[in-house]
Amino acid sequence: DQQVKQNSPSLSVQEGRISILNCDYTNSMFDYFLWYKKYPAEGPTFLISISSIKDKNEDGRFTVFLNKSAKHLSLHIVPSQPGDSAVYFCAASLNTDKLIFGTGTRLQVFP
Amino acid sequence: DAGVIQSPRHEVTEMGQEVTLRCKPISGHNSLFWYRQTMMRGLELLIYFNNNVPIDDSGMPEDRFSAKMPNASFSTLKIQPSEPRDSAVYFCASSLTGQGNTEAFFGQGTRLTVV
Repeated sequence: DQQVKQNSPSLSVQEGRISILNCDYTNSMFDYFLWYKKYPAEGPTFLISISSIKDKNEDGRFTVFLNKSAKHLSLHIVPSQPGDSAVYFCAASLNTDKLIFGTGTRLQVFP
Repeated sequence: DAGVIQSPRHEVTEMGQEVTLRCKPISGHNSLFWYRQTMMRGLELLIYFNNNVPIDDSGMPEDRFSAKMPNASFSTLKIQPSEPRDSAVYFCASSLTGQGNTEAFFGQGTRLTVV
């Protein structure tokens, strides 16, 4: 049973526009959410996170929004750049620090 | 710190052979995770150690898979016997838990191909 779901396997966005990546989860007890970015032949790297007590966290071009009632989080990238092209994973944790990941969304930013 | 170090980067083996993947976590980290990346399931947690003790191995697919962490600086994931469906990229990650931030740092992965 997939507790963290990323229903869009891929997304294509023009450079300079906004990229919105979505993630849904099933366990309302998750207390921490993270986004990771992965380039080919590399391990995932941490991008941004949000605690369940907040609904927004911003870091430069990256903003994560959390809607607890809908069990939904999203990552906004503005403006999108070609270097943002990668696979993005959302992850959730519950007390134990064990991270549960989604299946990933491949973002392609074209000129 | 060099980050999480995994070896080998690539492994090609024949079905039925034993495969051992190795991981050196970041010094000072107290949690270590083994993940497997597949198209269908994304990053799937196999097993999680805290202070060298296995805490949750519910993600280990079957008895052919085993993992050990004999000390704070080394862990292995073993598959015996290996099967073609085990082909995937295996990642090791480590973190410093209990600090309120569960960011995990990943190694570069081992791409396993079982033929």
